[in-house]
Amino acid sequence: GAGVSQTPSNKVTEKGKYVELRCDPISGHTALYWYRQSLGQGPEFLIYFQGTGAADDSGLPNDRFFAVRPEGSVSTLKIQRTERGDSAVYLCASSLDGFDGTEAFFGQGTRLTVV
Amino acid sequence: AQSVTQLDSQVPVFEEAPVELRCNYSSSVSVYLFWYVQYPNQGLQLLLKYLSGSTLVESINGFEAEFNKSQTSFHLRKPSVHISDTAEYFCAVSDKGFQKLVFGTGTRLLVSP
Repeated sequence: GAGVSQTPSNKVTEKGKYVELRCDPISGHTALYWYRQSLGQGPEFLIYFQGTGAADDSGLPNDRFFAVRPEGSVSTLKIQRTERGDSAVYLCASSLDGFDGTEAFFGQGTRLTVV
Repeated sequence: AQSVTQLDSQVPVFEEAPVELRCNYSSSVSVYLFWYVQYPNQGLQLLLKYLSGSTLVESINGFEAEFNKSQTSFHLRKPSVHISDTAEYFCAVSDKGFQKLVFGTGTRLLVSP
């Protein structure tokens, strides 16, 4: 596709449920990033993939959060036992090769609301 | 740990007036600096970046920012704003290029006629 695509655009779930958020990066981009943006805050880094592997997952807040990228393209962010504090906009970005100077392009995000 | 401070949560300005959005960062290593813009109902877009070289960087729509190492600042400026510049602006810092950005809390620029 022309840009980074995230689905769904909105997700409402009940506390304690499991959710999956999907990211389709720009075709050919090997690097993929997940960020979380809470209300009134800037985006916060969660995890960075280079190809299929997680190169840096230091931003994942706890073990309820997990992300995969099995074929090096589409990525899924998985949240178990959701809590109201998980409510935020989850942003995905991708870049061609992950090198320092290669621009990362962001999707429009998935707004997750936990009720 | 790196951090970014954007002291102004909101900046109201009249059309054609100059504007400065402030950004200060803390980092003990070599630094890359970015400004992103988020227009209403749109995703984050890169406005400009400092990776190396000239400390003054410019965007295609008239914004500029200057990397000031001694003051640890990267303020965003535009000499004459348009209504269409109304958006949220985020400053970000990294020591690994685009790989792991640390964002500020954002400044909402409100341009009125």
